[in-house]
Amino acid sequence: EAQVTQNPRYLITVTGKKLTVTCSQNMNHEYMSWYRQDPGLGLRQIYYSMNVEVTDKGDVPEGYKVSRKEKRNFPLILESPSPNQTSLYFCASSPAGAANEKLFFGSGTQLSVL
Amino acid sequence: RKEVEQDPGPFNVPEGATVAFNCTYSNSASQSFFWYRQDCRKEPKLLMSVYSSGNEDGRFTAQLNRASQYISLLIRDSKLSDSATYLCVVNWGGGGADGLTFGKGTHLIIQP
Repeated sequence: EAQVTQNPRYLITVTGKKLTVTCSQNMNHEYMSWYRQDPGLGLRQIYYSMNVEVTDKGDVPEGYKVSRKEKRNFPLILESPSPNQTSLYFCASSPAGAANEKLFFGSGTQLSVL
Repeated sequence: RKEVEQDPGPFNVPEGATVAFNCTYSNSASQSFFWYRQDCRKEPKLLMSVYSSGNEDGRFTAQLNRASQYISLLIRDSKLSDSATYLCVVNWGGGGADGLTFGKGTHLIIQP
């Protein structure tokens, strides 16, 4: 089944403890992206990747890192999480770029930083 | 500044009614437009793309008005299962901060 898989689904952590949220897609998509969603603010893009080894900042990249060593994987890394990074995170992919293409989303990761 | 504006609602609509909502965008160079549906705390899913000539998919009709810079979504014969948040998405081309922008969504509640 074609899908974007995110893990974990829920994560509670403490300030400063490094964490990684994994994202994997099995559709051979070139484009992958991370979003966070907060009440009243909608979906905001954190980072995106147009292809392997190519990553770029979105609207809210501060405090996050990403890597794209393989086409299928696009992990989101929080080196030193802070409470303001408590949010619902979504990974997404699409075949080639995002223009005129459907975005496929993972099922989300609810992160709480205490 | 590239912005996408939606009325957040909630819109409370009786089952069977027709409901429509708009989304305005700020940049006339916008290339493509979409409506996504999002259920509470779930991932957004593409409902339909919006074409210049307008398009229909069952009970759903999407229209684009480039001159006034808005897109619309019309739902006919609304069902309880249509209750969700509808996200307007505009793409200016390219990825990232210069590309896809999501509206904050319109919350629709269909009441029995």
